Amino acid sequence: DIQMTQSPSTLSASVGDRVTITCRASQSISSWLAWYQQKPGKAPKLLIYKASSLESGVPSRFSGSGSGTEFTLTISSLQPDDFATYYCQQYNSYSTFGPGTKVDIK
Amino acid sequence: QLQLQESGPGLVKPSETLSLTCTVSGGSISSSSYYWGWIRQPPGKGLEWIGSIYYSGSTYYNPSLKSRVTISVDTSKNQFSLKLSSVTAADTAVYYCARGFYIIAVAGTEFDYWGQGTLVTVSS
Repeated sequence: DIQMTQSPSTLSASVGDRVTITCRASQSISSWLAWYQQKPGKAPKLLIYKASSLESGVPSRFSGSGSGTEFTLTISSLQPDDFATYYCQQYNSYSTFGPGTKVDIK
Repeated sequence: QLQLQESGPGLVKPSETLSLTCTVSGGSISSSSYYWGWIRQPPGKGLEWIGSIYYSGSTYYNPSLKSRVTISVDTSKNQFSLKLSSVTAADTAVYYCARGFYIIAVAGTEFDYWGQGTLVTVSS
């Protein structure tokens, strides 16, 4: 089974900050990685697929990079609507989600 | 606009079988481009993929749940269903259905459309 880790688990930031979340896979997953945003009581929302492809309708301040075992999600300038929990997901071999990173207000 | 809606009992007794249905509207479940999946989230915890099904009936299950999970599809009703047997309190979660893309290279998918989720509590 492929295990996913994320760091940090919690991130405190201010509006306008550049934010970076890291996701690591226990073995190579090529570029088969997605990022989701989830707000309380809501379903996850797909932001990034295939490591760096921006889902339609997602603001361009979100970007993804990486391949193999290490990946990053970057928010270039944090907006009030971006305070949420972010999950990575590998889908190279079935599917595994990371434990999540909560982005809260500093 | 594609919509997915989960339905089923909100309370299931321990050792019994959890059964949920996802109704797809605004698109066909028989499209060769998509997989249809179930994902769950225990209260206050992270996401866990349960399994996925193709319109033809081909399935992929999470190895940790495989012995207890059955996912089926009813193309005539544009629905797919989840059965999870021998449930315990650890199966209490919000259950989501979702659409994923069929990717020929891998046995997995990202999920672009999700239902709103339904809370299933396992308790006597």
